[in-house]
Amino acid sequence: DIQMTQTPSSMPASLGERVTISCRASQGISNYLNWYQQKPDGTIKPLIYYTSNLQSGVPSRFSGSGSGTDYSLTISSLEPEDFAMYYCQQYDSSPLTFGSGTKLEIK
Amino acid sequence: QVQLKESGPGLVQPSETLSLTCTVSGFSLTSYGVNWVRQPPGKGLEWMGTIWNDGSTDYNSALKSRLSISRDTSKSQVFLKMNSLQTEDTAIYLCARAESTPLGWYYFDYWGQGVMVTVSS
Repeated sequence: DIQMTQTPSSMPASLGERVTISCRASQGISNYLNWYQQKPDGTIKPLIYYTSNLQSGVPSRFSGSGSGTDYSLTISSLEPEDFAMYYCQQYDSSPLTFGSGTKLEIK
Repeated sequence: QVQLKESGPGLVQPSETLSLTCTVSGFSLTSYGVNWVRQPPGKGLEWMGTIWNDGSTDYNSALKSRLSISRDTSKSQVFLKMNSLQTEDTAIYLCARAESTPLGWYYFDYWGQGVMVTVSS
C-alpha cells in the first residue's frame, strides 16, 4: 500500500496568511493526487484533483502543485471559512489512501 | 441536484454483520461509481471500496475478506455489508460519488453526510 505522510498535523494560522500543507507519498504516484476539505460539521468537499486542477466553485486562493512523491496544497490568503481539516488522497494504485490530515486552526 | 444519503443501524453487536445503504439522487449509478469511506472518531479517512458504473467492484485489501458492495440501479441504492465487526470498526461511514475521465482524473466529487456506527455489546 502507498503511505501518504501529511504535514503538519496541525497548523495555527492567521486570517490573510499564506499557508502550505505538504503530502509525501511512499512511492511515486504520477500526479494522481487529490485534496479534500472537511468542515467541523463533517461535510467533505473536493478542492483540487489530479495535483493542480481546481474543483468547480472552489476559490482561486486554493492551489495545488507537486510531482513524483511530493505534493502541496497552498492557500494564498486565509479566509474564516478555510479553518478546517485537509486531507490528501492518492489514486495511483489500490487501495486508495489518504493522508492523516492537517487541522488548520485560528492563531 | 446530486445527493447521497447513508442509512443503517447506529449500533451493531461485536461479531455481527453491518448493513448500510447509500441512496443517491441526481445521477445514475450506471454512469458513476460510488465509494465507501469510513472515519473512526477523531481520526482520518479510510477508503473501503468502490462499485464502478459497470457494476464491478474493488475493495481495500485490508477489508476484502469481510466486505461486500452491491447495488440496485432501479432504486438508486448502493449497499455495504461487512461481517465479523469488532470495536475498531466503530466509525462514521460515508459514501461518495467518483468522478473520472480518460484524462486521468479520479476523485470523489460529492459526499454524503455519513452515518455513525458503533460496535458495542
